[in-house]
Amino acid sequence: DAMVIQNPRYQVTQFGKPVTLSCSQTLNHNVMYWYQQKSSQAPKLLFHYYDKDFNNEADTPDNFQSRRPNTSFCFLDIRSPGLGDAAMYLCATSRDKLIRRTESYEQYFGPGTRLTVT
Amino acid sequence: AQSVTQLGSHVSVSEGALVLLRCNYSSSVPPYLFWYVQYPNQGLQLLLKYTSAATLVKGINGFEAEFKKSETSFHLTKPSAHMSDAAEYFCAVSSYSSASKIIFGSGTRLSIRP
Repeated sequence: DAMVIQNPRYQVTQFGKPVTLSCSQTLNHNVMYWYQQKSSQAPKLLFHYYDKDFNNEADTPDNFQSRRPNTSFCFLDIRSPGLGDAAMYLCATSRDKLIRRTESYEQYFGPGTRLTVT
Repeated sequence: AQSVTQLGSHVSVSEGALVLLRCNYSSSVPPYLFWYVQYPNQGLQLLLKYTSAATLVKGINGFEAEFKKSETSFHLTKPSAHMSDAAEYFCAVSSYSSASKIIFGSGTRLSIRP
């Protein structure tokens, strides 16, 4: 089955210690997204890649970086995690072009990585 | 600009009762509308979507939603709640012209009473 995979599912890191979360997809979608989701809140978009073009949200802290070495993989790097960065991190993908009006840009989500900062 | 408002952050129904989760949208262009479900410690799963075809949309797990342009609504319903329906539900809107943005509502937590 085509899917979005995130590893690890649970990550514990220390305050200030860099951490990398990974996402891979077999959907062959050109657009990939990273979201941060805190308890009882909607996902908050951090940035997205439109193919190789990186698009940062205006309010995403500089502490968050991303890499996309190829179509299938995307990484989220948190350079110096703080206690406030503890959250669920969700990766998603979508197609970049619609051929028919009945198609849409729905996003396909991975299972998420829950990050704990100690 | 687009936005979504979900009325009620928490809804509780009895098992077997009707489920109704409310969503109103605002969009200056014809919208695409989605309902996603999120179980604890999981990602979001698409329940159903509206893409301007039929106004009554059927999704997975017995859920359906009706697009009402005059009311700018896209409420989610299920005739008979099951314990396994307990989860967080997000309504979302996007447009035909942009792949980059889905705007999520704040979510509604659905609880099912035995």
